[in-house]
Amino acid sequence: KAGVTQTPRYLIKTRGQQVTLSCSPISGHRSVSWYQQTPGQGLQFLFEYFSETQRNKGNFPGRFSGRQFSNSRSEMNVSTLELGDSALYLCASSLTGSNQGTDTQYFGPGTRLTVL
Amino acid sequence: SQQGEEDPQALSIQEGENATMNCSYKTSINNLQWYRQNSGRGLVHLILIRSNEREKHSGRLRVTLDTSKKSSSLLITASRAADTASYFCATTSGTYKYIFGTGTRLKVLA
Repeated sequence: KAGVTQTPRYLIKTRGQQVTLSCSPISGHRSVSWYQQTPGQGLQFLFEYFSETQRNKGNFPGRFSGRQFSNSRSEMNVSTLELGDSALYLCASSLTGSNQGTDTQYFGPGTRLTVL
Repeated sequence: SQQGEEDPQALSIQEGENATMNCSYKTSINNLQWYRQNSGRGLVHLILIRSNEREKHSGRLRVTLDTSKKSSSLLITASRAADTASYFCATTSGTYKYIFGTGTRLKVLA
């Protein structure tokens, strides 16, 4: 079974631009979560989607948005990029994203975004 | 911040020794999971312990959970160079949102 894939793997943008990152979950997984990882803040939850619905959102400004398609693939978008958005963006999929935390999350390799 | 704290932040040991890392969290939880991350790559799930369990084993891993102290520990026995990685605990409390700890960077010297 193929793992979680994220594209692109590396991205360099300049301040003020926008970016779209893509995540393809493991086949059959319906929950997709996104995280931002930086050396200073660690792993921060961005949002979680299940069956095209956002079920929870982290404490990020409205410049960060996401969506999920009917095939469970997900995209996240960051508009008006700032230097502080430079980070590793990780996507994780799980079967149902149980709110009991019993689902194992399978992580993709991440997209390394650099904002200049 | 809701983020959990892990302790120590970094740990360096010799191959064959045991490594213990601790995680403290702030809110009541449903379950706690431990993940490993190699060198800025994706995380790999190691073990899950439910809030009503106190200890769990998986191969060379032993996890304990003390909900009264809101803390968990991960013990890796007979460590190997391949165990060099960062280790994170993750908790959830019924909101489809995982809170990750700050991580422990483990270096196992051959």
